[in-house]
Amino acid sequence: DARVTQTPRHKVTEMGQEVTMRCQPILGHNTVFWYRQTMMQGLELLAYFRNRAPLDDSGMPKDRFSAEMPDATLATLKIQPSEPRDSAVYFCASGSSAGGVGTGELFFGEGSRLTVL
Amino acid sequence: SQQGEEDPQALSIQEGENATMNCSYKTSINNLQWYRQNSGRGLVHLILIRSNEREKHSGRLRVTLDTSKKSSSLLITASRAADTASYFCATVATGANSKLTFGKGITLSVRP
Repeated sequence: DARVTQTPRHKVTEMGQEVTMRCQPILGHNTVFWYRQTMMQGLELLAYFRNRAPLDDSGMPKDRFSAEMPDATLATLKIQPSEPRDSAVYFCASGSSAGGVGTGELFFGEGSRLTVL
Repeated sequence: SQQGEEDPQALSIQEGENATMNCSYKTSINNLQWYRQNSGRGLVHLILIRSNEREKHSGRLRVTLDTSKKSSSLLITASRAADTASYFCATVATGANSKLTFGKGITLSVRP
C-alpha cells in the first residue's frame, strides 16, 4: 500500500530551536509539495519540486525556512530558528506530473504537527 | 493566496440527504480537484475534472465545472455519517509549472 510517509508526526520545541521535517514520497512520483495548514490561513503552499528541482518556493519565508530533496526518496523542510507563529501542521504530498500538463492528483502524508513554545 | 473559495463554509445535514458544496475561482484553470480531510488526518483526493469537462461521477460523488462562471460544485448523494469531514476545492492554473492551490474548505457534518 503506497503512501507518503512524514516524520515526525508531532514535534514540540522551544522558540529559536531548529526543526527538520522529513518526507518520503511515493516511489515513482516525480513531484513533491510542502503545505502548511493553520486555522487562520488554511492550506498554504510553501515549496514545490519536480524531478527534485525546486520550481516554486515563493510561499516560503526564505530567512528561516529551507526545503531540499537530497534524493528522490527524501524531501526535507527545515526551520531555523523556529518561532511560535510557525506552529501549524505541515503536509508533504507527492504526485506524478509530466511538464506542461499541470498538476494531477496528489497523495498526502498524515502531516507533522509542530508546536513552537 | 487561495485561488478557490468554497461555499458554504459549514454544512450540517441528516444522513441520507444530499450535500452540495460550491467552489469559485479567479483565473483560468487546467483542472480542478476536490479533496476530503478527516479530523487530524491528511487530505485524500476525491475527484479531478479537467477544464474541457463539464461533469464527472465517482460513486456517490458528482462534480460539475462551469468555466464561464469559474465555478464548480461537488454533490454527495445519500450522505452517511462517515462523510463527515472537511472538503477542499483545489485548482491548477494554466501553465507548465502550475501548482495546486487550495481553498479554505467546507466543514460537512452528517447527523446519524
